[in-house]
Amino acid sequence: DAGVTQSPTHLIKTRGQQVTLRCSPKSGHDTVSWYQQALGQGPQFIFQYYEEEERQRGNFPDRFSGHQFPNYSSELNVNALLLGDSALYLCASSSTGTYGYTFGSGTRLTVV
Amino acid sequence: EDQVTQSPEALRLQEGESSSLNCSYTVSGLRGLFWYRQDPGKGPEFLFTLYSAGEEKEKERLKATLTKKESFLHITAPKPEDSATYLCAVQPEYNNNDMRFGAGTRLTVKP
Repeated sequence: DAGVTQSPTHLIKTRGQQVTLRCSPKSGHDTVSWYQQALGQGPQFIFQYYEEEERQRGNFPDRFSGHQFPNYSSELNVNALLLGDSALYLCASSSTGTYGYTFGSGTRLTVV
Repeated sequence: EDQVTQSPEALRLQEGESSSLNCSYTVSGLRGLFWYRQDPGKGPEFLFTLYSAGEEKEKERLKATLTKKESFLHITAPKPEDSATYLCAVQPEYNNNDMRFGAGTRLTVKP
């Protein structure tokens, strides 16, 4: 049973560029959340998608946007990249009515 | 505002030397408190969920406990493979779409 799959695993982008990260949730899960984890910090909530809509958003600017597809997979898009966007981006999936998330291994984004 | 504070930031133990990690939280109604283990460059791996004060859960050398204001992760006779960052997170009752994480405790167990 595959867990949460994220791609790519590593990415280097130049300041001002745009990036798209992808996530396939664990089988049976219908909700996808995205987190940003800076080095030495705990994950911070970006937003959550359910039924192809953004259900809730954390304290992140509009440069961060997302999408959920009918098969529950999700994308995270970041526009106009800043150096401070360098972080590990984690996707977590869950099932409606249950507690706790299953995390993927993350995408390491480096902005130069 | 919901807050999660973990201490210590880093902990170095000798193999077999038991200790505890602390997670203090402030939340308007707790839906659940979660412990995760995170290895370098990897995503968090689920360990435990605790729902109410007085609850305890165990897994191998790890035992998690919960009070109304804090949770402890007790590590008994740790081994080098227990070295990792341990993250605590709370999910509030009023908002079960968000999980608020602490900064973690980086545990190193030396042989």
